[in-house]
Amino acid sequence: DADVTQTPRNRITKTGKRIMLECSQTKGHDRMYWYRQDPGLGLRLIYYSFDVKDINKGEISDGYSVSRQAQAKFSLSLESAIPNQTALYFCATSDGSTEAFFGQGTRLTVV
Amino acid sequence: GENVEQHPSTLSVQEGDSAVIKCTYSDSASNYFPWYKQELGKGPQLIIDIRSNVGEKKDQRIAVTLNKTAKHFSLHITETQPEDSAVYFCAATPFTGNQFYFGTGTSLTVIP
Repeated sequence: DADVTQTPRNRITKTGKRIMLECSQTKGHDRMYWYRQDPGLGLRLIYYSFDVKDINKGEISDGYSVSRQAQAKFSLSLESAIPNQTALYFCATSDGSTEAFFGQGTRLTVV
Repeated sequence: GENVEQHPSTLSVQEGDSAVIKCTYSDSASNYFPWYKQELGKGPQLIIDIRSNVGEKKDQRIAVTLNKTAKHFSLHITETQPEDSAVYFCAATPFTGNQFYFGTGTSLTVIP
């Protein structure tokens, strides 16, 4: 099984709909992250969490919210999806001193 | 915050040639520099990393060099193979930092 699992892998949704992307990890790490990938822009941080009671905004948090349900689970919500939120979304986890481990990604299309 | 710049954005090389990707960073507090490879349809995976107390690190055909004074680090891939074709990301972070700061990525194509 993958260390970091994201669901769904692909999603098409309509403008104005609420959507949730889910992430779970088996690494036992405290830190979890949500990144957005757009062509030519690299990986940009949306939100990050150091533990269940800790939630922090990243570089591009507007239009997104998160929930850390447990050490192993971190979900990303788009309250009212818009077309420019069409992107590839990645969840990641780390122990804070070494590499980040990434999920396989969720390709989201907002029409 | 940290700003990481990466060049080039695309790179094509003939199989067997070397490829070099360069990154610069702005925050002198950054002291951990990982490189990630992202294959089509997959998430980024670490291929090599370097810490600030080391100037160079090698792992078979890949190597990373770090110049802390100039605030730049580079990825070197020798004897490139078609399976090296992917998007490569550099990143910088302090050991106790909040996040990884990524470059914008380099799409490497190795031509057989």
